[in-house]
Formats: sequence, C-alpha cells, structure tokens
Amino acid sequence: EDKVVQSPLSLVVHEGDTVTLNCSYEVTNFRSLLWYKQEKKAPTFLFMLTSSGIEKKSGRLSSILDKKELSSILNITATQTGDSAIYLCAVEALPSGNTPLVFGKGTRLSVIA
Amino acid sequence: EAGVVQSPRYKIIEKKQPVAFWCNPISGHNTLYWYRQNLGQGPELLIRYENEEAVDDSQLPKDRFSAERLKGVDSTLKIQPAELGDSAVYLCASSSGTAAGGEQFFGPGTRLTVL
Repeated sequence: EDKVVQSPLSLVVHEGDTVTLNCSYEVTNFRSLLWYKQEKKAPTFLFMLTSSGIEKKSGRLSSILDKKELSSILNITATQTGDSAIYLCAVEALPSGNTPLVFGKGTRLSVIA
Repeated sequence: EAGVVQSPRYKIIEKKQPVAFWCNPISGHNTLYWYRQNLGQGPELLIRYENEEAVDDSQLPKDRFSAERLKGVDSTLKIQPAELGDSAVYLCASSSGTAAGGEQFFGPGTRLTVL
C-alpha cells in the first residue's frame, strides 16, 4: 500500500530557529514529491522535487529529495511567526501507479515570538 | 481511521465527453472542497461546501462544471463537455469546520486525461 509518513507531527520553535521537516514515502511508480504550506485557505505550493540530490530554494525555505532513502526534507531557516502552518508532503505517482497523489498527515509548525 | 475516498483514481476520455468524479469525505466533516491541480502547481479551489450548501464557487467554470453535495455527505463533480485543458488531478478534501488552523484532509485525487 502506498504511504507517506511525515515527522514530526507537530513542532514548536522560537523565532529565529531553524527547523527541518521530514517526509518518507513508499509509492509505486514514483513521479514527484511535493511540499505545500497549508494555512486557512487552499494549500500553497512550495516545491516539486523529481531528481535526487538537487536542492530547491525559495527564500528561507529549501528542500531536497533522496530517492535512495525514499525521503525528503524541508528546511526553514530564521523562522518567523508567519511560518506557522501545517506543512504537507505528497507524492505523485505515474499513471501506472496505484493512486495519483498520496498525502502525509502533515507537520504542524508553531513559531512563537 | 478512514480517510477521504475518491473515485475513480484515473480517467481517460476524449474531448467533448462528459466525466464525473465522486468524493466521500471523512465521517462527520461538514466542509468539503474540490480542487484542481495542474502538474507542478498547487491546488486551485473550485468549490467549497458547508454541509449541502455551496458557499464558495467563484472559481468554478460554470459553463461546463457542476457539483452537488446531496444530504451534505458525498459529493460529485461533473464536467460536460470536457476540454483538453481540463487534464489535471482533481482533489477532494474535507474538514470538520471546527478544526484549528483550517486543517484539511485530502483524498488521493482523480487524474483526468482528456485526449
């Protein structure tokens, strides 16, 4: 059965801290891994990763995929209160896979001033 | 715990054909969302239901898309007729409405390919 596991499930840090969120997966016919930031509205797309070892960066956020370990990490440096959200990881399968998208349960990040 | 269920998981149709997607939310969740996600992008909200009432359908292309949520539980999303640009993953999500932080639970999606 396809699955995506995120850890930790929740995290509380102080402003300025650096955090690392983890995502591991078991999916038939892997196509890509996606990270989202979920606040009250629709999830915001952060990164799509398809190749192992290539870091993607956007401001204070960065992510990298390790296909050998079947995992990905999302790093946030110098955290701010506005980073508080649920961070979702999802894995997209090829059309020959079992399911189009498999979501993890998310990591709830709380950044306190 | 049963999650959000969607069917079918994959659908391939020719343009101008109709297609329908089905979603069963998590039991007890009164809010249901339909999203469309194109490759490499985030989900775009199509419609949001609170129980059986559509409270936000501003992004739903009403000339060809329709949705219903009878009895405030299951929902169907229909496209008639489908166009090539409708090829995407259609996601359904649900939330309890009282969940802090607007936490939504997503189904596996239906990947639509229009030829």
